[in-house]
Amino acid sequence: GQNIDQPTEMTATEGAIVQINCTYQTSGFNGLFWYQQHAGEAPTFLSYNVLDGLEEKGRFSSFLSRSKGYSYLLLKELQMKDSASYLCAVSDSNYQLIWGAGTKLIIKP
Amino acid sequence: SQTIHQWPATLVQPVGSPLSLECTVEGTSNPNLYWYRQAAGRGLQLLFYSVGIGQISSEVPQNLSASRPQDRQFILSSKKLLLSDSGFYLCAWSEAAFSYNEQFFGPGTRLTVL
Repeated sequence: GQNIDQPTEMTATEGAIVQINCTYQTSGFNGLFWYQQHAGEAPTFLSYNVLDGLEEKGRFSSFLSRSKGYSYLLLKELQMKDSASYLCAVSDSNYQLIWGAGTKLIIKP
Repeated sequence: SQTIHQWPATLVQPVGSPLSLECTVEGTSNPNLYWYRQAAGRGLQLLFYSVGIGQISSEVPQNLSASRPQDRQFILSSKKLLLSDSGFYLCAWSEAAFSYNEQFFGPGTRLTVL
């Protein structure tokens, strides 16, 4: 079967750094996406990794290790507006997105 | 640029009533289209996806159905709603090519079945 695992909830402090992990087992791999979803809103695209390594985009970075079936999203200089759920999704051999359940990130002042 | 519309934004319906949610995409042709449901505090559950007019794949057997009468129109329906149909319904689209397949989401419909 296909499976995406991420922590249910994490708490961090404003101004700090947080790493959200995602492990996956899928039939094939054509890239991994991270999305941000604020409560009551639609998910919005954050990052895409298809090759191993780190992709940096401002305060957000995403890392991929295909051999380990592992990715993480790194958020730096946390702001209160970063409080949201972060969804990991893998594009499988049929180019269908397999979604994790999401990690709810709580930022405390 | 591409945009995706969904309506209504919120809906309260009695058990046993019918349902019709509509989604339209502008600025692209032959997109892949998706219907998801998200229960409170949970992840996305893929309900239906479509690669073309009249082509619907169902991921979860239930009392919902989907139709694609036009290239950029996707409709989610039910003849009789159940309490368990409550949730946040999201429509999404992606490029049809077998390559980078980022999905773009509509604003969602929050459905409450009483």
